[in-house]
Amino acid sequence: SYELTQPPSVSVSPGQTARITCSGDALSKKFACWYQQKSGQAPLLVIYEDSERPSGIPERFSGSSSGTMATLTISGAQVDDEGDYYCYSTDRRGNQGIFGPGTKVTVL
Amino acid sequence: QVRLVESGGGVVQPGGSLRLSCASSGFDFSIYGMHWVRQAPGKGLEWMTFIRYDGSRKYYGDSVKGRFTVSKDNSENTLYLQMNSLTTEDTAVYYCAKDPGFGEFPGSPDYWGQGTLVTVSS
Repeated sequence: SYELTQPPSVSVSPGQTARITCSGDALSKKFACWYQQKSGQAPLLVIYEDSERPSGIPERFSGSSSGTMATLTISGAQVDDEGDYYCYSTDRRGNQGIFGPGTKVTVL
Repeated sequence: QVRLVESGGGVVQPGGSLRLSCASSGFDFSIYGMHWVRQAPGKGLEWMTFIRYDGSRKYYGDSVKGRFTVSKDNSENTLYLQMNSLTTEDTAVYYCAKDPGFGEFPGSPDYWGQGTLVTVSS
């Protein structure tokens, strides 16, 4: 079955740049989006269609995609950005959603 | 603003059934597709199912296909998930989420409810 791959953890100092990657064969043809989830809360959409930012999401969050890899970048990471980040896309046929395994971001 | 409120979770025995509901408000429910996503304790997110805005198309993840059924009542602005033949591996927080479009295929869920906990245990 189709899978998305993410690093299990990323650690950065406050003010530095965090990059989280998401790999999957279908990403060259399908959009990726990114969710932030803090402990005990529902996921929050931070990037959709590879690089679009929903209203209300800080500009330090950006997304890009090239080939079979999508990347979420947090520029000038803040302590408040700590949490789990999940990429999401669909399978090759486009009729099943797929989440990556998640990346735990630590800012300290 | 968009509001999604799940209900119907609880404790059920293995082999049992449960129906979850998701009440929506703040948007025109009838023109948007909807998703169900779950999260087992301490684990990641798992996409389960998508239903087209008019209910004419439904897609399921492999782990729930044939056991779970999604439905949508546009007159009541409510999404449902009928879960049958439950196992301990179905223990999770279940979220409903709105799709951003009215297409035939699932997009990226944009608004989420707070979830309802389902525990399958004897």
